[in-house]
Formats: sequence, structure tokens, C-alpha cells
Amino acid sequence: GDSVTQMEGPVTLSEEAFLTINCTYTATGYPSLFWYVQYPGEGLQLLLKATKADDKGSNKGFEATYRKETTSFHLEKGSVQVSDSAVYFCALSAGNQGGKLIFGQGTELSVKP
Amino acid sequence: GAVVSQHPSRVICKSGTSVKIECRSLDFQATTMFWYRQFPKKSLMLMATSNEGSKATYEQGVEKDKFLINHASLTLSTLTVTSAHPEDSSFYICRVSSGIDEQFFGPGTRLTVL
Repeated sequence: GDSVTQMEGPVTLSEEAFLTINCTYTATGYPSLFWYVQYPGEGLQLLLKATKADDKGSNKGFEATYRKETTSFHLEKGSVQVSDSAVYFCALSAGNQGGKLIFGQGTELSVKP
Repeated sequence: GAVVSQHPSRVICKSGTSVKIECRSLDFQATTMFWYRQFPKKSLMLMATSNEGSKATYEQGVEKDKFLINHASLTLSTLTVTSAHPEDSSFYICRVSSGIDEQFFGPGTRLTVL
């Protein structure tokens, strides 16, 4: 079945460091790909998305490119801030699954000043 | 954008009691709502898909008699944890979908069973 695999956390970085969180997926067909963020004590929020191969999603300085050849959707940010500390979830939605979202295990990011 | 609310946000109950969690879509009508369970430092596990006016579709391994789902209207779905036990303690989250690319999550309900 469809699945999403993320790099394990926690990831600890200093402020202004470069961030990469790896995400790979397995899916039949052509899924849409998402990154969600969950700040401490809050619900999940959509960070960015890409709906087809080679699309780049971007928001708040974060970027991820839908790579069909490597089945990846890695999240990157050039300069992280303390306020980016959160848990990040990669997810996919296959069009033939009635809107189901399948999540990776989540990666906790901690940014130190 | 759409706002999804959950009630209660936090509940503590004794083992053996039943707990009802509500998920409301405040800005639009949702024919489909999804219920997830999130364990500490773990991913979200899809429990069931709630369809307005019909029976919910449960994921493999989820006990439908234990986790009762009722989607009585286009803006409300309820999850009832029946005869709760400590292992049911978790963070329960609903998601409302208005399409493949429009997904809105509720803030979650923290259930603690003593």
C-alpha cells in the first residue's frame, strides 16, 4: 500500500542554519504531496504542497520539490528560526483513495538561539 | 479559510466510561470527515472515514464497536470511545476535506483514561 517515510528526529539546529528533512514515498498512481507543521500544543497546519511531478511548493521560506524519479519530497529552509521549532509531517494523498491522507512518522525540529 | 473545531479539547475519564468527541466544520459543509489518532512523538494514524448520512469506513485494525462514529449532518461528526481503557489515552484529531487539496484539521482532543 501507499506509504511515506521521513528521516527520524529529533533534529536540533542553531538559528540561521540550513534545514533539510528528507521524505520519500511509495504510491501507485500520481499522488499529491504535502508538508504539515504542528507547533507545540496546536493542531496540524498545511505548510506547503505539490500536486504533480517537478512542482515546487513554498511557504514561509520553506520549499519542497516533487521528484518523481526519486519518489521524494524533501523539505528545505535556508535559514531556520527559533519559531520554526515544531514537528513536521510529510504526507501524500492519492486521488483514488477518497481524500485519504497518509502521513510519515513526523520529524521533530528544535532550533536553538 | 475553513475553521474546524473540536470539543472537548481535553478530557479525563475513568476506565470503563464512554467519551464523545465532536468535530465541527464551521465554514463549509463537509460530506467527508476523517478521524485520526496521534500517539506521543508518533505519526497520525487514520482510524476511519466519516461520511454524512452513511456508515463510517474503518481502517484495518480499528474496532468499529469501540470507536463509534456518527456523521449526522454536513457540519458535525462525532467519535465516541466506548468503555474507555488507559490504552485508549491519546490525541484524537479530525480532518475535514473539501477536496483532495483542501484539508483542514481540528485542534485535537487529548483523552486521558485513568
